Amino acid sequence: AQSVTQPDIHITVSEGASLELRCNYSYGATPYLFWYVQSPGQGLQLLLKYFSGDTLVQGIKGFEAEFKRSQSSFNLRKPSVHWSDAAEYFCAVGAAGTASKLTFGTGTRLQVTL
Amino acid sequence: DVKVTQSSRYLVKRTGEKVFLECVQDMDHENMFWYRQDPGLGLRLIYFSYDVKMKEKGDIPEGYSVSREKKERFSLILESASTNQTSMYLCASSLQGGQPQHFGDGTRLSIL
Repeated sequence: AQSVTQPDIHITVSEGASLELRCNYSYGATPYLFWYVQSPGQGLQLLLKYFSGDTLVQGIKGFEAEFKRSQSSFNLRKPSVHWSDAAEYFCAVGAAGTASKLTFGTGTRLQVTL
Repeated sequence: DVKVTQSSRYLVKRTGEKVFLECVQDMDHENMFWYRQDPGLGLRLIYFSYDVKMKEKGDIPEGYSVSREKKERFSLILESASTNQTSMYLCASSLQGGQPQHFGDGTRLSIL
């Protein structure tokens, strides 16, 4: 069965500092990987996705993520965090099957200090 | 732009009531999903549907049922609401083949 681990429950960074959110997955084949962001009281918004090809993927809002098969990781990065990036971030793994089910991590809450 | 609409943002019901949560998508997506979200547990899949009138259980289907009579609409039903079903419920839809899911804004349901 597929699974996702986000080891950091809560991270605090200063505005302008760099950010890396960790995600490790378990899946038997080549996974489809996603990062979503959730602002308070809202649904989830897709930041970026990895299906195949270039292992460094660019997303919206200046985020990027790197797929490392050898480490079963898909970490999210941003060079300079803005106060508006404060939110909860979810990593998810899925398969190419018909139903496109996703398994989500438990999330990392990002706090940004000014 | 993609739009998934959940009928209520906030809902308060009493134990034992039958509760309906509605979700509509306007993207002609084949797949639709219902999740519940609880602090520290992330999103857990309740049920999903890959076609009209087709449904499959997710990870936590107990106490829930679903209905998909039309492609654009997917309903979650709490047959007899209990306090442990107080949660945030999120609906999502997607195309086939591992495509990203698009989410509604959620329904925060309280069972008293």
